[in-house]
Amino acid sequence: QVQLVQSGAEVKKPGASVKVSCKASGYTFTSYDINWVRQATGQGLEWMGWMNPNSGDTGYAQKFQGRVSMTMTTSINTAYMELSSLGSEDTAVYYCARVQVNYGFDYWGQGTLVTVSS
Amino acid sequence: SYALTQPPSVSVSPGQTASITCSGDRLGDKYASWYQQKPGQSPVLVIYQDTKRPSGIPERFSGSNSGNTATLTISGTQAMDEADYYCQAWDSSTAIFGGGTKLTVL
Repeated sequence: QVQLVQSGAEVKKPGASVKVSCKASGYTFTSYDINWVRQATGQGLEWMGWMNPNSGDTGYAQKFQGRVSMTMTTSINTAYMELSSLGSEDTAVYYCARVQVNYGFDYWGQGTLVTVSS
Repeated sequence: SYALTQPPSVSVSPGQTASITCSGDRLGDKYASWYQQKPGQSPVLVIYQDTKRPSGIPERFSGSNSGNTATLTISGTQAMDEADYYCQAWDSSTAIFGGGTKLTVL
């Protein structure tokens, strides 16, 4: 069965960076894009960007341009999202999700809580 | 930039039909997806390509999309359907989510 398993919760200080991993299993990793979505407590879903594990191509939401990097290690079916220059407004649960454009976000990771606090 | 607008809340009695709307400029020209999210859980895809249900999603969930509005309809709403619902569409390789609708079953 398809699974996306994310790394554990993180606590970071303002100005630091965080790197969240997302390990895929149960399907061919290079056949689907991985997208990242975040959700602050009590708020809605906010899309951050996508990565194509086959080509390595990426696309980021304008809001995160210059501050986010999405990478992968195909040998271990793992995607990564790194966000730098963290501020308190970045405190949120970060999700990875498997995506085929026009087919929706069909599988989601369990989420990773990132807390930014001095 | 493109935006999708949802009502913040919708209430429905058990067994009745709930309709949640999602509005956006010429949304009918795009594919809409819908996600259900219960407290403390990851979102779950319930509708994709406007009208299609993924495997395992009950038949009481249906969708439509025309003009500027996509609609998620839940027929015979059950208490277990109480959750937040989000619409989503793609615009110029950017995923757009609606603000979410809290469905209360009472």
